[in-house]
Amino acid sequence: NAGVTQTPKFQVLKTGQSMTLQCAQDMNHNSMYWYRQDPGMGLRLIYYSASEGTTDKGEVPNGYNVSRLNKREFSLRLESAAPSQTSVYFCASLASGRVTDTQYFGPGTRLTVL
Amino acid sequence: QKEVEQDPGPLSVPEGAIVSLNCTYSNSAFQYFMWYRQYSRKGPELLMYTYSSGNKEDGRFTAQVDKSSKYISLFIRDSQPSDSATYLCAMSTSGTYKYIFGTGTRLKVLA
Repeated sequence: NAGVTQTPKFQVLKTGQSMTLQCAQDMNHNSMYWYRQDPGMGLRLIYYSASEGTTDKGEVPNGYNVSRLNKREFSLRLESAAPSQTSVYFCASLASGRVTDTQYFGPGTRLTVL
Repeated sequence: QKEVEQDPGPLSVPEGAIVSLNCTYSNSAFQYFMWYRQYSRKGPELLMYTYSSGNKEDGRFTAQVDKSSKYISLFIRDSQPSDSATYLCAMSTSGTYKYIFGTGTRLKVLA
């Protein structure tokens, strides 16, 4: 049981390049999330998907797009990377439906934009 | 003002000490309060979960919520070097799956 997996683990981009961060979960969870974590800022929600076929903006969605490809996979795309998007990106999933649900996080993708 | 405030630390304590970690918040609609532990270069993992006010204990860990003061705490008894990590508080309102995280407090337990 792999839980939440993310690829790639590390990435270096030049300003203006595009890339897609991949996330998959094998726990049959309905909800999936993308966060970024920056020093002094904590975890900030970029986008989330409450269920397959739905997505919604979080706190810091500008410069990002997402796709909930199916129940397992939720990708994050940077169309034109900027140095301000240098961060650690975490994907998470949540079973949903119960107040005691646990949010499970992936190992993160460390992205540097030069 | 941020919705959730957390002292970033770092906090260094000797092994065996009692550790107190705290968060304050401004949104009185928060009902669900969580503590996550994050080891270096890893994703956060849920440590404790509390609904509304009161205390919850799990082994060496106790979570406390004071809604009247908008203040939550995590106590670690008999701290161990393996407790060295960043601790993040998180909160959510009823009926939503959006979580607001604190910035995290870095804890180092010295052997």
